[in-house]
Amino acid sequence: DIVMTQTPLSLSVTPGQPASISCKSSESLLHTDGKTYFYWYLQKPGQSPQLLIYEVSKRLSGVPERFSGSGSGTDFTLKVSRVEAEDVGVYYCMQNTQLPWTFGQGTEVEIK
Amino acid sequence: EVQLVQSGAEVKKPGESLRISCQASGYMFTAYWIGWVRQLPGKGLEWMGIVYSGDSDATYSPSFQGHVTFSVDKSINTAYLQWSSLKASDTAMYYCARLGGYCVNGVCYKIGFDYWGPGTLVTVSS
Repeated sequence: DIVMTQTPLSLSVTPGQPASISCKSSESLLHTDGKTYFYWYLQKPGQSPQLLIYEVSKRLSGVPERFSGSGSGTDFTLKVSRVEAEDVGVYYCMQNTQLPWTFGQGTEVEIK
Repeated sequence: EVQLVQSGAEVKKPGESLRISCQASGYMFTAYWIGWVRQLPGKGLEWMGIVYSGDSDATYSPSFQGHVTFSVDKSINTAYLQWSSLKASDTAMYYCARLGGYCVNGVCYKIGFDYWGPGTLVTVSS
C-alpha cells in the first residue's frame, strides 16, 4: 500500500498569515495515463470532508484562490496564502493512483 | 443540485447485521462511482472501497474485503453498505461520496470525491 505522510500534524496560524502542509507518498503517484491522482480534502469541525484540490494543483469549482496545490512524484504541498477563520479543520491528502486508495493521517489547522 | 442523503444513526449489538444507505439526487446516478469512507472516533479517514452505480461493480480495500458488502439499487438511486456480523470495532462514522470525473476526447479521468453525504454514525456495543 502507498503510505501518505503529512507534516506537520498540527498547525496554529494567525489570520491573514500563510500556511503550508506537506504530504509525501511512499511511491510515485504518477499514473500510467500521465495524470497524478493526488488530492487535498478539508474536514471542517463537525462536517463531512470536502474536496479542495484534485490532480495535485487543480482547485475544485468554488474553492477560494488562496488555496493552491503543487508537487509531483512523491512530494506534494498545499498552501493557503492568507488563512481565514473558516479554514480551520483537518486537512487530508489522498491518492487514488494505486489500489488501495490511501489518505494521509491529517493535519489539524487552528487559528491563533 | 447534487445531494447524497445518508440513513440515520444506528445502534447495534455485536454479531448483528446492518445495512446503511446513501441516496443520490441531482445527477445521473448510474454514470458515477460511489465511495465509502470510514472514520473511527477521533481518527482520520479510511478508504473502504468503491461501487459503480451503473452495474454494481465493486472494488474493496483489502482492510475491509470480506467484512462489508457494497450494493446499489438503481431504481431508487441508492447505494448501500452492509455488514452481516458487526463487531465493536466497526463503531465509526461512515461516509458515502461521489467519485467525480471529467472526460476529454473520450478518455475519462477521476477528480476525487467531489460530493459527500453527511455520514451515518454506527455504534456497536453489547
